[in-house]
Amino acid sequence: NAGVMQNPRHLVRRRGQEARLRCSPMKGHSHVYWYRQLPEEGLKFMVYLQKENIIDESGMPKERFSAEFPKEGPSILRIQQVVRGDSAAYFCASSPAFPGSKHYRYTFGSGTRLTVV
Amino acid sequence: KDQVFQPSTVASSEGAVVEIFCNHSVSNAYNFFWYLHFPGCAPRLLVKGSKPSQQGRYNMTYERFSSSLLILQVREADAAVYYCASWCGGGGNKLTFGTGTQLKVEL
Repeated sequence: NAGVMQNPRHLVRRRGQEARLRCSPMKGHSHVYWYRQLPEEGLKFMVYLQKENIIDESGMPKERFSAEFPKEGPSILRIQQVVRGDSAAYFCASSPAFPGSKHYRYTFGSGTRLTVV
Repeated sequence: KDQVFQPSTVASSEGAVVEIFCNHSVSNAYNFFWYLHFPGCAPRLLVKGSKPSQQGRYNMTYERFSSSLLILQVREADAAVYYCASWCGGGGNKLTFGTGTQLKVEL
């Protein structure tokens, strides 16, 4: 049973380009979370999605960032018109249930390191 | 503002017991989660809950607003970043993470 798969592992974009980060949750997991880790900082919550629905996007920057989790396929975190400040490691986690459930398994992927040049 | 606080660095000698302390100001949070993170790898859950618990060499203490992770018989390979996170009950959506504690192991 493969873990949470994120790709690409490393992504380099020029300022103004678009970045698309993919996350395939573990089999059977319908809850997906995206976190961002800026240099010298901890993991910061961005968005929580269930299949086809955004449940909580309170951590998403108001502009240029969007996320989706379609019925088929991976979850996508999309950053438009990237700037240098977007350079960070972006981690995805998945769970079959929310953290309070006895079935909770909050499993992280290895992250995508985005570098904006 | 919901925050989780933990020291940036902790040092220990090999074979010792090291304690990493964490406290939070997250509204209604009462669960703690401790993750281990090696650079370039996925953060891995070590121990979690709303009461003291143990998983192998990892012990978690618990109080309403604070928790400690104790690592027994510290090894050089334990040198990594340890994240504390809290979660509020009632179906809350997300974990709130601290900034991570770098464990340095002195031989």
